[in-house]
Amino acid sequence: DAKTTQPPSMDCAEGRAANLPCNHSTISGNEYVYWYRQIHSQGPQYIIHGLKNNETNEMASLIITEDRKSSTLILPHATLRDTAVYYCIVRVAPAGNMLTFGGGTRLMVKP
Amino acid sequence: DGGITQSPKYLFRKEGQNVTLSCEQNLNHDAMYWYRQDPGQGLRLIYYSQIVNDFQKGDIAEGYSVSREKKESFPLTVTSAQKNPTAFYLCASSGRRYSNQPQHFGDGTRLSIL
Repeated sequence: DAKTTQPPSMDCAEGRAANLPCNHSTISGNEYVYWYRQIHSQGPQYIIHGLKNNETNEMASLIITEDRKSSTLILPHATLRDTAVYYCIVRVAPAGNMLTFGGGTRLMVKP
Repeated sequence: DGGITQSPKYLFRKEGQNVTLSCEQNLNHDAMYWYRQDPGQGLRLIYYSQIVNDFQKGDIAEGYSVSREKKESFPLTVTSAQKNPTAFYLCASSGRRYSNQPQHFGDGTRLSIL
């Protein structure tokens, strides 16, 4: 699986959009980008995933650059409950579904 | 509601004791996984199972054992051979084998040593 690089921490004002970046410069053509988040002492929560097109669901939007070497998770209107560690994971789909979680980005949403 | 249930939420182990962590899912998922998380760290894969009666070792399988006798259940035993078992243990499941569908996680079991 491709290695990912995320900033260790970010702050965001409540009600504003939170933009979380992820670099995956060694991504290969058949690798997907997944985003999860983990609130303290809970299991990780799936947010969104994509291959090369931008994706949107009820939680967030995923923007993948044209060269697929980086992506951004966007939480359009951050709330205090969005404070969590956000993990960007890149993996090949037909690889047994295993996930490798790195250090992630600790997002702090402030009032 | 469909989901993944892990029990107990907290577990204490005495020296030399084996303990078993339960994981049950009613999502009709084929694949199930066990991860370990240490404080401030990401997740590391212990074991995974793509289908009933079959499972494979992950990155840190030593000192752990699993079984997959039913599709819904994937219990993890932490044996006395695991010398540093204190951690947060997470169970996950996912749908079709070898698909891009995401894994969904339970709320974890926190294991400590007495």
